[in-house]
Amino acid sequence: EADIYQTPRYLVIGTGKKITLECSQTMGHDKMYWYQQDPGMELHLIHYSYGVNSTEKGDLSSESTVSRIRTEHFPLTLESARPSHTSQYLCASGYAYNSPLHFGNGTRLTVT
Amino acid sequence: QQQVKQSPQSLIVQKGGIPIINCAYENTAFDYFPWYQQFPGKGPALLIAIRPDVSEKKEGRFTISFNKSAKQFSLHIMDSQPGDSATYFCAASRASNTGKLIFGQGTTLQVKP
Repeated sequence: EADIYQTPRYLVIGTGKKITLECSQTMGHDKMYWYQQDPGMELHLIHYSYGVNSTEKGDLSSESTVSRIRTEHFPLTLESARPSHTSQYLCASGYAYNSPLHFGNGTRLTVT
Repeated sequence: QQQVKQSPQSLIVQKGGIPIINCAYENTAFDYFPWYQQFPGKGPALLIAIRPDVSEKKEGRFTISFNKSAKQFSLHIMDSQPGDSATYFCAASRASNTGKLIFGQGTTLQVKP
């Protein structure tokens, strides 16, 4: 049973639209992450947060932005979607660097 | 810069075989090495993890072997089953406030009946 929830599950939108991908967790984890994953390929960290009001960019450059106003909520926003943003976006949370990372089931985004 | 290199990219074995997936890392500060399993349409889930003060760890049919001097670690799946067909990712992290995991490129495993 997933304790981390991502919505929507699938999203198809046109170029130039603003979108927000939602991620919520019920485990009280301070650390939350966004990974980008192309089909069958490795996960690239694009954003992370280690607590409320703290956000950092990850190893892969991304035009998206994130916010962390509440512990349980870590939304990702694209101000103007482009076809190059087509990918799967995975949200995750965890207690510490050496504890399990809990992943949501992802949002598969297609920008036409 | 690829900090964790994983091979092979794909692997096909017969039921009962022992697939082996290998990973190599560069940063000697890494001190936590987990393996994640991902089924289609799902997020990755932790399978098994090891710390560098241990050379081997077993959980059920899954074993991690760790070679600190070579900076390599591997996953062995004993008596593999068709239900083990999935994508496997190795990863590494180090003690820090952020807890960032660096993932390998992934290995797609198919276990044939």
